[in-house]
Amino acid sequence: NAGVMQNPRHLVRRRGQEARLRCSPMKGHSHVYWYRQLPEEGLKFMVYLQKENIIDESGMPKERFSAEFPKEGPSILRIQQVVRGDSAAYFCASSPTAYEDYTFGSGTRLTVV
Amino acid sequence: KQEVTQIPAALSVPEGENLVLNCSFTDSAIYNLQWFRQDPGKGLTSLLLIQSSQREQTSGRLNASLDKSSGRSTLYIAASQPGDSATYLCAVGIFGSNTGNQFYFGTGTSLTVIP
Repeated sequence: NAGVMQNPRHLVRRRGQEARLRCSPMKGHSHVYWYRQLPEEGLKFMVYLQKENIIDESGMPKERFSAEFPKEGPSILRIQQVVRGDSAAYFCASSPTAYEDYTFGSGTRLTVV
Repeated sequence: KQEVTQIPAALSVPEGENLVLNCSFTDSAIYNLQWFRQDPGKGLTSLLLIQSSQREQTSGRLNASLDKSSGRSTLYIAASQPGDSATYLCAVGIFGSNTGNQFYFGTGTSLTVIP
């Protein structure tokens, strides 16, 4: 089992561009969580998804950010019209059920220039 | 809202010392508590997970305790080694049918073990 795979590991975008971050959960895991770690801050919850459903997006900024977890393929965190303040490490985690422990990926480090 | 605080923010010790990292949280209605290690520019490595019904967990030189009533957890590292140098994160988990198992993270303790 390859673990939770995130790509790309590093992503550089110019202000105003779009960023697409991918997360492939562990085999058999249908629950995905996204967290963001801003510089000098702790990780903060963004969104919780199950296959084809957003369960809790209370931590997502209201504008420019969206997430999906389609029936087939990875979960995608999409940031439109990126700004410097979006520069952060974005981590995803997956679990087989809502009750079980989850495993974090290695993260995507987004830099907006 | 759950607030998680870690003290100290940074710690530097000579090799071989035993040390304690502290974590406090404001809401005792937790589902679990997890300690992670994060190396610079890297992901999270899970060290110990304590369920809300448990008091402690041990793995090798690491021991984590949980006192829900006082809102505290400690991570004890015995006989520290230079390879233990990293940032240690405390994460308090809550659970709800509409939230799943979400974690609230502290900002971490940056540990340096001097050879």
